[in-house]
Amino acid sequence: RKEVEQDPGPFNVPEGATVAFNCTYSNSASQSFFWYRQDCRKEPKLLMSVYSSGNEDGRFTAQLNRASQYISLLIRDSKLSDSATYLCVVNTGGSYIPTFGRGTSLIVHP
Amino acid sequence: DVKVTQSSRYLVKRTGEKVFLECVQDMDHENMFWYRQDPGLGLRLIYFSYDVKMKEKGDIPEGYSVSREKKERFSLILESASTNQTSMYLCASSSSGTIEAFFGQGTRLTVV
Repeated sequence: RKEVEQDPGPFNVPEGATVAFNCTYSNSASQSFFWYRQDCRKEPKLLMSVYSSGNEDGRFTAQLNRASQYISLLIRDSKLSDSATYLCVVNTGGSYIPTFGRGTSLIVHP
Repeated sequence: DVKVTQSSRYLVKRTGEKVFLECVQDMDHENMFWYRQDPGLGLRLIYFSYDVKMKEKGDIPEGYSVSREKKERFSLILESASTNQTSMYLCASSSSGTIEAFFGQGTRLTVV
């Protein structure tokens, strides 16, 4: 079983829609969680951290469910510019090695 | 502004050549990483380093080696390039105690 799993999509949504992605992780000792965004042929860039209490940044909300071992990213009022691949990142057990999911592709259309 | 810089954006090399990919960060980060990214496979860790002159194998180290002689610089070496090493190579760095990683712009390597 892969350590970090994401639905590759693509998620194809109209502008203004709300869309949510999940990311499951296998190691219950994982403590650090992030969401990154990667545009086509560019490097991944940090989008937001995921805290136990949840984290909101404008239209983006990230949440952690430790019991079920997944993190989620909710995007409200989707914009065309949100089209990208969204990668979740988890630390592997007690280490500080970033382990990435394969990413979820989001396409927002007019 | 934090910066991780990779020496080349695009590189074309011949099979059997020795290839050096250079990465420099200006954030005084302890940790540095080399990943390769292929369609459908995501980011896979090749090697990482927690300190100068220290290196650890990642998930796919075969055919690669690394060097970290200075804290700011982490080099990836393809000893004898092969066509299956054609890929996007991404360098990243992070401070100790966190997985918040900052990436270079990537090197798209083609081995012909």
